[in-house]
Amino acid sequence: DVKVTQSSRYLVKRTGEKVFLECVQDMDHENMFWYRQDPGLGLRLIYFSYDVKMKEKGDIPEGYSVSREKKERFSLILESASTNQTSMYLCASSSTGGGSYEQYFGPGTRLTVT
Amino acid sequence: EDKVVQSPLSLVVHEGDTVTLNCSYEVTNFRSLLWYKQEKKAPTFLFMLTSSGIEKKSGRLSSILDKKELSSILNITATQTGDSAIYLCAGWGANSKLTFGKGITLSVRP
Repeated sequence: DVKVTQSSRYLVKRTGEKVFLECVQDMDHENMFWYRQDPGLGLRLIYFSYDVKMKEKGDIPEGYSVSREKKERFSLILESASTNQTSMYLCASSSTGGGSYEQYFGPGTRLTVT
Repeated sequence: EDKVVQSPLSLVVHEGDTVTLNCSYEVTNFRSLLWYKQEKKAPTFLFMLTSSGIEKKSGRLSSILDKKELSSILNITATQTGDSAIYLCAGWGANSKLTFGKGITLSVRP
């Protein structure tokens, strides 16, 4: 079974703090993704990565950066957290091979910025 | 810009009813359409549809893709309270990127 884990289920941070959200997958997947999910807006892609040290902007990258130093780990960084970044953050991974486009999701991190 | 639109945004039914959830897409270099179910946690995969007109079925759930109409439907028959969830539709296009719709919130009343 594919397993995608995220470092925290719940996180509370103050405005201006630097925040790290970690995601680890154990299936040797090439692709990893960070989304945020807000009521009425659905899942929106922040950043994704095809390979180690590769990153691509998604639809809403402003205020975020990412790091992928190892294949299994993809980190989302909020350089200076703001209240409008309060959200549910979901990490996902997928394989490139075999024509399988299914993304496997982690349990999510509910981030509150006060 | 790729776009996926789901309708209705929410609906309430009673146990035993049949529901149809709609998804339309505008996705560059479209490859597949995926359906996910999300309860109070991460989305879980339901179906992936690549070919037009071929129904995929899993128990009381079924789904079909219409590439001519750029749309898909998800049917749930004999609904149960455990079917209450958000149903997400996503289009897979260029660069292995999924574009999600906003989701349909289904509430099944006993």
